Amino acid sequence: DAGVTQSPTHLIKTRGQQVTLRCSPKSGHDTVSWYQQALGQGPQFIFQYYEEEERQRGNFPDRFSGHQFPNYSSELNVNALLLGDSALYLCASSLAGMNTEAFFGQGTRLTVV
Amino acid sequence: AQSVTQLGSHVSVSEGALVLLRCNYSSSVPPYLFWYVQYPNQGLQLLLKYTSAATLVKGINGFEAEFKKSETSFHLTKPSAHMSDAAEYFCAVSGSGYSSASKIIFGSGTRLSIRP
Repeated sequence: DAGVTQSPTHLIKTRGQQVTLRCSPKSGHDTVSWYQQALGQGPQFIFQYYEEEERQRGNFPDRFSGHQFPNYSSELNVNALLLGDSALYLCASSLAGMNTEAFFGQGTRLTVV
Repeated sequence: AQSVTQLGSHVSVSEGALVLLRCNYSSSVPPYLFWYVQYPNQGLQLLLKYTSAATLVKGINGFEAEFKKSETSFHLTKPSAHMSDAAEYFCAVSGSGYSSASKIIFGSGTRLSIRP
């Protein structure tokens, strides 16, 4: 079992550009959540996808959008990048239900210059 | 809204000493509380989870945490620190009542250093 895999591992973008990050959930999982972890801080919830729909969203602007595919993999898109978007982006997968565990990937380190 | 506060951004202990990392949650009783560990350049790994089944929760790597409603605390302990315990530790709460894996709200983290 490969666990949660994210790609790419590192990325450098210029202000104003757009970026797409990818996540493959752990085998058997149907729910994907995305988190942003700025340097020296705890992760912050961006949104969660289940059944190809955004089910919950944190306090992030509309520049952050996502998608979930029929195979449960997911993408995070960020438009009009700002320097402040530089962070580690973590994907977590889980199985829908009350008492479940979120498994985290190793993250994508995004640097905006 | 649910929240957690971690007391102390950096804790340093000697190898073999007691590890105590402090966490307080917001006054409303949360459905789920967690402790996660993050090693450098890695994702998060779940250490343990409180689900109201028992106030003393045992986790992996010898860690445990006790839920104390009267003190709104969920402190993490380990009797004897090992060098491999050096990492960043996050206390967290599930912000959604419908799933323990939904909208996890993290504290700011505590960096644990182990002195030889």
